[in-house]
Amino acid sequence: AQSVAQPEDQVNVAEGNPLTVKCTYSVSGNPYLFWYVQYPNRGLQFLLKYITGDNLVKGSYGFEAEFNKSQTSFHLKKPSALVSDSALYFCAVRRYSSASKIIFGSGTRLSIRP
Amino acid sequence: DAGVTQSPTHLIKTRGQQVTLRCSPKSGHDTVSWYQQALGQGPQFIFQYYEEEERQRGNFPDRFSGHQFPNYSSELNVNALLLGDSALYLCASSPDRASSGSPTSTQYFGPGTRLTVL
Repeated sequence: AQSVAQPEDQVNVAEGNPLTVKCTYSVSGNPYLFWYVQYPNRGLQFLLKYITGDNLVKGSYGFEAEFNKSQTSFHLKKPSALVSDSALYFCAVRRYSSASKIIFGSGTRLSIRP
Repeated sequence: DAGVTQSPTHLIKTRGQQVTLRCSPKSGHDTVSWYQQALGQGPQFIFQYYEEEERQRGNFPDRFSGHQFPNYSSELNVNALLLGDSALYLCASSPDRASSGSPTSTQYFGPGTRLTVL
């Protein structure tokens, strides 16, 4: 079975500081990993995905994520946080043999203080 | 180019009633997936439709059913509503053309329908 864990319910960062939102996964075979962001009363917006290739993936709004196969992690990062980055972030995994189904983590609320 | 649209935005029903939610995929997308997001949780996969057929299903009871139309739009039906069905229902579309469903395609989400069951 595939699963995703986001160990932190909330992450608090000062504006201008780097941020990291953690994600670990469990899946048999090659993982396909995604990050989505959700603003209040909105649907999910796609940020970035890892399929294959470079372990560092760059996405929207200055976000990037690092795939680490040995640690089964896919942490989301940004060098300098903005107050507007405050939102709910979801990590997700998809397995090729179950190509259509995406498994989401429970989400991490990111709060950026001015 | 409109993204994924869903209707209605909000819905209030009572236990035992039936509800139909609607989704129009992003232009060029032919696959629609439905998710349930309970308060404080991540989205849970309900099912996916491709070529007007249910391609895969998550762990949801038969009270949850769906349909896809020739124009790729989709409906989610829930019968015999329970209090626990209260949630945000999200529709996602993707441009899968291959029958196997490419794992590299990105699912784009609509704003959701907030269902409250009293």
